[in-house]
Amino acid sequence: KNEVEQSPQNLTAQEGEFITINCSYSVGISALHWLQQHPGGGIVSLFMLSSGKKKHGRLIATINIQEKHSSLHITASHPRDSAVYICAVMGGTYKYIFGTGTRLKVLA
Amino acid sequence: DAGITQSPRHKVTETGTPVTLRCHQTENHRYMYWYRQDPGHGLRLIHYSYGVKDTDKGEVSDGYSVSRSKTEDFLLTLESATSSQTSVYFCAISESRPGREPLPPTYEQYFGPGTRLTVT
Repeated sequence: KNEVEQSPQNLTAQEGEFITINCSYSVGISALHWLQQHPGGGIVSLFMLSSGKKKHGRLIATINIQEKHSSLHITASHPRDSAVYICAVMGGTYKYIFGTGTRLKVLA
Repeated sequence: DAGITQSPRHKVTETGTPVTLRCHQTENHRYMYWYRQDPGHGLRLIHYSYGVKDTDKGEVSDGYSVSRSKTEDFLLTLESATSSQTSVYFCAISESRPGREPLPPTYEQYFGPGTRLTVT
């Protein structure tokens, strides 16, 4: 079993839908990082969080340290949100443990 | 955006030839990383550096070596490229930031634009 699990692995949504991507981990962490990668593109930082909730535009990230779970929400999804979303955790060292990613496709 | 560049951005080479990829940063961050990304595997750590001349192996280090002679540059070398090393390579940098008490420090990573390497 991977130390960091993401679900779903693939997700197709219609434009305007509310989207949730989940990340569960089994190790103690100091922080969790959500990343975005468009097809053929670079890796962009979305959020780093160690507690509570962060919001940026239509994106919201939450984390529950006790339950070892984080969610990334996209409100009013748009085709430009189509990308792979990657969850990575910091287990108290300077190395990341990555999830395998969630591939999101938003249809117009 | 963090000042990270990778060169070359694209390379096609033949099996058995040596290849060196360069990662250059202008952020003066202590930690640098090389990853490869392949379909079905996500990001996998090849080597990392925790200071000048201080490097260590990651989970997929066979066939790769690295060097860091100055803070800003981290080189990844494939001594004799093989087709299994066809991949997209990402460099990342990080620095230690105090964690929210009582949590340990965090090391948020910033990624370079990637190098697409094809070994024929």
